[in-house]
Amino acid sequence: AQTVTQSQPEMSVQEAETVTLSCTYDTSESDYYLFWYKQPPSRQMILVIRQEAYKQQNATENRFSVNFQKAAKSFSLKISDSQLGDAAMYFCAYRSGNTPLVFGKGTRLSVIA
Amino acid sequence: DVKVTQSSRYLVKRTGEKVFLECVQDMDHENMFWYRQDPGLGLRLIYFSYDVKMKEKGDIPEGYSVSREKKERFSLILESASTNQTSMYLCASSLHEAGRGEQYFGPGTRLTVT
Repeated sequence: AQTVTQSQPEMSVQEAETVTLSCTYDTSESDYYLFWYKQPPSRQMILVIRQEAYKQQNATENRFSVNFQKAAKSFSLKISDSQLGDAAMYFCAYRSGNTPLVFGKGTRLSVIA
Repeated sequence: DVKVTQSSRYLVKRTGEKVFLECVQDMDHENMFWYRQDPGLGLRLIYFSYDVKMKEKGDIPEGYSVSREKKERFSLILESASTNQTSMYLCASSLHEAGRGEQYFGPGTRLTVT
């Protein structure tokens, strides 16, 4: 069974600095998708960024980028120029075929002004 | 924009009551999901559905059932609520196609069973 591991339950970053959240996964599939979701306090979970496994180029969305290492089964999220609004729970997720997303346990990110 | 709505943001029920949590999506998604979210445990899949009248057990289906009579609506039922079902419940929907298959989430229902 596929598993997703986020080894950092909590992290903090100074405003305007850069932070990297880690995620590793285990799969025997070759074709799959990886996602980072953000859940702000008491607010709806939203998609931050996605990566197709067949693409070598790392995905970027404004201040958010990923470091996708397929051989190492690693999918980290980098947040540049951190803002107070980035404070949230971040979940890494995996999907292969038409199956439900498999989520990690999440990383709580605090942003210090 | 995809919209996933849940019938209540907060709900308080008594032990033994039958509880209905409703979820509606407006983007004609085939797939719908119910998760519960607990601190330190992340999101755990309860049930999901790939089509009307279809349902599949997730990782923790015990004590729950679901109903999907219409494509846009997916209901989670707690037949006899217990205190260990106090949790945040999240509904989500997605398209079949994995390439466009990111899940869209509702705002959640925080259920307290006393």
